[in-house]
Parts: sequence; C-alpha cells; structure tokens
Amino acid sequence: SQTIHQWPATLVQPVGSPLSLECTVEGTSNPNLYWYRQAAGRGLQLLFYSVGIGQISSEVPQNLSASRPQDRQFILSSKKLLLSDSGFYLCAWELAGVRVEQFFGPGTRLTVL
Amino acid sequence: GESVGLHLPTLSVQEGDNSIINCAYSNSASDYFIWYKQESGKGPQFIIDIRSNMDKRQGQRVTVLLNKTVKHLSLQIAATQPGDSAVYFCAEILTTGFQKLVFGTGTRLLVSP
Repeated sequence: SQTIHQWPATLVQPVGSPLSLECTVEGTSNPNLYWYRQAAGRGLQLLFYSVGIGQISSEVPQNLSASRPQDRQFILSSKKLLLSDSGFYLCAWELAGVRVEQFFGPGTRLTVL
Repeated sequence: GESVGLHLPTLSVQEGDNSIINCAYSNSASDYFIWYKQESGKGPQFIIDIRSNMDKRQGQRVTVLLNKTVKHLSLQIAATQPGDSAVYFCAEILTTGFQKLVFGTGTRLLVSP
C-alpha cells in the first residue's frame, strides 16, 4: 500500500532563517506531487506541483521554492523565512494520468517568530 | 475567477441527526468535485467524489448532491456520530494540464452527544 510521510511534524523558526520540509511517498512510482499551505481557518492554497524529477511548477509567487531530487521525494525550501510563511504545510500525491483523489500527508506545522 | 466557497463556517448537530454541508463553486468548467474531511492537526482525507455528469452519488452514510444549474454541491451525512466532528472541505478539480484542486474555506462540523 502507498504511504506518504512528512517531516518534521512541527517546526518553530526565527524570521530570516532557512527552511527545508521533506515529503516522501512509498509504494508508488512516478506520482504527481503537490505542496499546499493552509492558514488558520482557511482552505488549502496550492504552492507547487511536480509531474516528475526536476520538474517543478509554481502556482503563486512567494518566498518559497520546491525541488524534486528523486521520484518520490519532494522538498519545500526557503532561504529566509518571513512571518507570513507560518502555516500548516501539506504534501499530497496522486497517480499520474489517473483522475482520482489526491492523498495527503500528515502535514508540518510551521511557526515563524 | 476560480473559487469554492462554503455557506456556513460552523455546523452544530446532535448525535444521530443528519448533517448537510453546503458548498458553492464558481467555475462551470469544473468536471470533478471531491469532499474531504480534515481532523484537527491532520491532513485532509478523501470522503467521496462526484463527476459533473452526475447529480447524486452515495457512499457509506454519505451522499453528495451536485446542482450544476446553481453551481451548488452538498454533502449529507446520515446518523452523524461524534467521530464525524471535523472540518469538511469541498474541492473542484480543474484539469489544465494537471489536476488542480481548488479548495473552499471549509465547514467545521461539531457533533454533540
């Protein structure tokens, strides 16, 4: 069966510090991968998606970047965090070419102070 | 533009009652809709989906209704249980080269015993 992991689960970082959040998927190959951010009391905002290794598309201009160094690994990064980067970050995967639901990871709660 | 909105931010029901969560969407080109359930501190979980060529779909204790004329989606939960307490999101899928989920704000369902 497929599983998706995210770490860390929670993170508190000072403004201006770097960020690296990791997402890995097991049990599937060549998934489409997504990064979402969820602000408190809000819906999910799509940040990045990837259809393959090294292929990253950004949905909104921001202080963050994403990379996919391996087929089942998706990384969200920042060189200098802003207060507005605080939120709940969710990684999701779906079977490429199959229009079914996306499967979400457990999320990372990021607080920037 | 793209938006998925919910009529009620919080819905309180008694255990055993039926719950109805509503959602309005704006993009008539959306061809696939999904309801997700998100428990506190966790990632969203798939509940049920419906394609735009359908107006009703039933699952276990849940029914989704789609009214394309007024761009309205609803989730009905029969015999609501305390374990149903969560935030429920509707999402529309726009296929523009990839499967883009557009999420609404969410409705918090509170089930009291």
